[in-house]
Amino acid sequence: AQTVTQSQPEMSVQEAETVTLSCTYDTSENNYYLFWYKQPPSRQMILVIRQEAYKQQNATENRFSVNFQKAAKSFSLKISDSQLGDTAMYFCAFMKRGSDYKLSFGAGTTVTVRA
Amino acid sequence: GAVVSQHPSWVICKSGTSVKIECRSLDFQATTMFWYRQFPKQSLMLMATSNEGSKATYEQGVEKDKFLINHASLTLSTLTVTSAHPEDSSFYICSARWLAGGFTDTQYFGPGTRLTVL
Repeated sequence: AQTVTQSQPEMSVQEAETVTLSCTYDTSENNYYLFWYKQPPSRQMILVIRQEAYKQQNATENRFSVNFQKAAKSFSLKISDSQLGDTAMYFCAFMKRGSDYKLSFGAGTTVTVRA
Repeated sequence: GAVVSQHPSWVICKSGTSVKIECRSLDFQATTMFWYRQFPKQSLMLMATSNEGSKATYEQGVEKDKFLINHASLTLSTLTVTSAHPEDSSFYICSARWLAGGFTDTQYFGPGTRLTVL
């Protein structure tokens, strides 16, 4: 089983500032995917960003970017120019490629953006 | 695209009754759907994997007789909580994997169903 660790239970950031969420994972697999999902107060899970392990280039989606360090098994998420709508719980998730497509989630990090 | 709906969004029932929750992929076909349970301020716990036309696969510790899952079509999976008790009160979330188009390795989530058992 894969283990996904998010060591920051809560983070607070001022509007327009940048915040970085950490995520580490433990796996013996070489082919896999990593995801960041956002769960706002509505509790709707929203895909933020997706990274394929065989791609060295870090994924970006507008103000969201990741720092993927495969050797270190690290997958951090950077939120730039934070907005009030970014307030949510963020989950890091791991999926083994070509498997049963199950997701292993981290415990989550609650991000609060202050006005 | 890739919209998943759940119905109902909130249900209250009496102890001992059964409750059915529907999960639908609205604009794509999903051979595989997943059911999760989430407690407040906690992560998602996978309960079972639902495959169209076959029996669901349950995670260890999940009672298959209590949580009945049916995946009758490529767009619909249902979770029935049988003989519900207060400890079954939780937030239940489904997700669907897109068979073709998009990223087939990505799960798209429904908005969740809050179950309260009195």
